[in-house]
Amino acid sequence: NAGVTQTPKFRVLKTGQSMTLLCAQDMNHEYMYWYRQDPGMGLRLIHYSVGEGTTAKGEVPDGYNVSRLKKQNFLLGLESAAPSQTSVYFCASRLRQESYEQYFGPGTRLTVT
Amino acid sequence: AQSVTQPDIHITVSEGASLELRCNYSYGATPYLFWYVQSPGQGLQLLLKYFSGDTLVQGIKGFEAEFKRSQSSFNLRKPSVHWSDAAEYFCAVGAPGSQGNLIFGKGTKLSVKP
Repeated sequence: NAGVTQTPKFRVLKTGQSMTLLCAQDMNHEYMYWYRQDPGMGLRLIHYSVGEGTTAKGEVPDGYNVSRLKKQNFLLGLESAAPSQTSVYFCASRLRQESYEQYFGPGTRLTVT
Repeated sequence: AQSVTQPDIHITVSEGASLELRCNYSYGATPYLFWYVQSPGQGLQLLLKYFSGDTLVQGIKGFEAEFKRSQSSFNLRKPSVHWSDAAEYFCAVGAPGSQGNLIFGKGTKLSVKP
């Protein structure tokens, strides 16, 4: 079991460029999450999914889009990157509604110049 | 609305000393409670969790936490800190019966002196 994996690990973008972050889990988890982590801010939820084909907004969704076409994958897109989106992005997954613990990927460090 | 407060941004302890990291939450009922640890450059790893029952829960790496309903607290403890415990620690709260999304505290960074 690889658990939760994220691609890429690092990325530098110029303002206005677009990119997609990929999260994959091999644990057959129903729920998946995207967070961003900024110094002194803890983790803030961007978007989440409660199952294949579903997505929902979290606390800080603006400037991001997501898709969950396959149960094992959760994609986070930045259509037009801004310096305020410089952050470390974490994906997490959770087995089902009755189990609340989340399992995290290693993170993607994104810098927007 | 739920909220989580970790009052200490940064704590330094000597190796071998005891450790207590504080976590206070705001929620109308008893929430689900978690402690996660993040080593530098890594993702978050679950240390322990509380859902119900015994208010003292044991976790991995020798950590334990105690749920105190009267104080709305879930403090993390370790009797003897090792240098490898240097990391950032996050407390998180989930509301039973809801979507179950977790609310994270802002974290406490632990430094360990030799």
